[in-house]
Amino acid sequence: GQNIDQPTEMTATEGAIVQINCTYQTSGFNGLFWYQQHAGEAPTFLSYNVLDGLEEKGRFSSFLSRSKGYSYLLLKELQMKDSASYLCAAMDSNYQLIWGAGTKLIIKP
Amino acid sequence: DGGITQSPKYLFRKEGQNVTLSCEQNLNHDAMYWYRQDPGQGLRLIYYSQIVNDFQKGDIAEGYSVSREKKESFPLTVTSAQKNPTAFYLCASSIPRGVGTGELFFGEGSRLTVL
Repeated sequence: GQNIDQPTEMTATEGAIVQINCTYQTSGFNGLFWYQQHAGEAPTFLSYNVLDGLEEKGRFSSFLSRSKGYSYLLLKELQMKDSASYLCAAMDSNYQLIWGAGTKLIIKP
Repeated sequence: DGGITQSPKYLFRKEGQNVTLSCEQNLNHDAMYWYRQDPGQGLRLIYYSQIVNDFQKGDIAEGYSVSREKKESFPLTVTSAQKNPTAFYLCASSIPRGVGTGELFFGEGSRLTVL
């Protein structure tokens, strides 16, 4: 079956770096997405990876290893506003998105 | 400003009632989607539409219905047949999958509570 795994919750300190991991199993693969979702709000797009490697976008970077079915989202210089859930989603061969349950990130001062 | 508008933001329903959630977009996107989000679970696809007057069932379509009479609009009806409708409902749109990255643009969501 198709599956996405990511940690349920993580805690980090303001100003630090945190890495949120995501492993996936899909029928075919057409890319890996990361979204940010603040409590009670809609998800917003952060990144898309379809080739192996690291994509950097300001304080956020996303990495993909297709051979390992693995991705991570790296957040640097953490700010209190980064407290949110981070959703990992993989697109299968039919362009259907398979979603993880999300990782709730708690930032402490 | 382009975007997706969902209404109402909060809705209470008695058991046995049908309710309709509105979703309107002015992004000129062909594809639109309805997702359901429950605590501790990933987003689950209810219905999607790639083009006007056509829509497809997602993973959990039972108890729901949709229409796509206009490109801008994709309303979702939660019928009395849906056994556990209390959830956060998200509407989204995109350019057709396979054409772009498939990035989704989401509305602000509608929280439905059955009393």
